[in-house]
Amino acid sequence: LAKTTQPISMDSYEGQEVNITCSHNNIATNDYITWYQQFPSQGPRFIIQGYKTKVTNEVASLFIPADRKSSTLSLPRVSLSDTAVYYCLVGELNSGYSTLTFGKGTMLLVSP
Amino acid sequence: DTEVTQTPKHLVMGMTNKKSLKCEQHMGHRAMYWYKQKAKKPPELMFVYSYEKLSINESVPSRFSPECPNSSLLNLHLHALQPEDSALYLCASSQAPGGGFNNEQFFGPGTRLTVL
Repeated sequence: LAKTTQPISMDSYEGQEVNITCSHNNIATNDYITWYQQFPSQGPRFIIQGYKTKVTNEVASLFIPADRKSSTLSLPRVSLSDTAVYYCLVGELNSGYSTLTFGKGTMLLVSP
Repeated sequence: DTEVTQTPKHLVMGMTNKKSLKCEQHMGHRAMYWYKQKAKKPPELMFVYSYEKLSINESVPSRFSPECPNSSLLNLHLHALQPEDSALYLCASSQAPGGGFNNEQFFGPGTRLTVL
């Protein structure tokens, strides 16, 4: 599976849009991208996933360019409660027994 | 019900103790996972159960012994642990085994384990 690279940390203020970019240069044709969020002392929580172009749900948007070598998680108008670690993962589309491998993640700190 | 529950929330044990961690889900998921997470590190996969059978063991020491009594329950038996085993132990479940698309993993809140 492709290795992912994300910024170690990011700072933002309430109400701003936050974009976290993940690099996955070696992504394969049958790989997809997924993002998880983790608050301190809690288990990770699924945010969004996609294969190409743009995906949007009630929480976030995921932008994937045509070459799929990177992806950007966009959080609109963040609040203090969005302070968390965000993990970008690459998984196989039709996985049987492959597993998710968490990278180092991005620690997002939202300030008032 | 989209919840994975884990008990206990906290556990302190000595190196000679035997204890068990418990995980439960009622979403009808057929895959369950144990992860270990050290402070400020990402979760690391330990075991995967698929249809109540152990399918992946990520070279975990034998002092950790998983058990899946039925499709809703997952246990992790602990024996003769070391202080370096202190960590947050996370359980997760997913509809099907593996990391396929539309097969998100639902995580429990974890058990904070301290080995003295």
